[in-house]
Amino acid sequence: AQSVTQLDSQVPVFEEAPVELRCNYSSSVSVYLFWYVQYPNQGLQLLLKYLSGSTLVKGINGFEAEFNKSQTSFHLRKPSVHISDTAEYFCAVSRYNFNKFYFGSGTKLNVKP
Amino acid sequence: GAGVSQSPSNKVTEKGKDVELRCDPISGHTALYWYRQSLGQGLEFLIYFQGNSAPDKSGLPSDRFSAERTGGSVSTLTIQRTQQEDSAVYLCASSLGVRDEQFFGPGTRLTVL
Repeated sequence: AQSVTQLDSQVPVFEEAPVELRCNYSSSVSVYLFWYVQYPNQGLQLLLKYLSGSTLVKGINGFEAEFNKSQTSFHLRKPSVHISDTAEYFCAVSRYNFNKFYFGSGTKLNVKP
Repeated sequence: GAGVSQSPSNKVTEKGKDVELRCDPISGHTALYWYRQSLGQGLEFLIYFQGNSAPDKSGLPSDRFSAERTGGSVSTLTIQRTQQEDSAVYLCASSLGVRDEQFFGPGTRLTVL
């Protein structure tokens, strides 16, 4: 079975600073990778996904993530964060046939002025 | 258009009672997912429906949990003989197809006393 590890439960950062949210997964088979965001008092929404092709994936709100197969990682990055990026971010993995999804425990990004 | 809706939004029940949670997916979406989000933890995948195919029930935490999807649309998650550890937010999501973005509902917060 797959597992997804988000080592940082909370990441405080100042506005306009860069940020990287780490995600590692364990899998011996091909998987697809996702980042979801949950803003305060809102539902989850998709930020970006990697299915195939270029290992650098660009998503909404200026976020991007890079799939690194050798390190089994899919870290999320943004070069300059805004206050409005304060939210909880979840990394997720699915099997190639999408019949199961595995989510990490989430990273709370707190952007300070 | 309407998003994914779930009812009830909150449910408080006594230990040992049965509960039913309902999910109305976005019209035309063939895939439907149920997740559980416990306090301080990530999302736990429960079950997935794709079209008229039989669902994979291996993610359900115990045989007290069951789910059905009638007519390829509305889904009901039933928890029998609820336990306190069942307390969580139950999320439903739907997608147009398996490779498409999942749209999440607002969730049902279940509290078992």
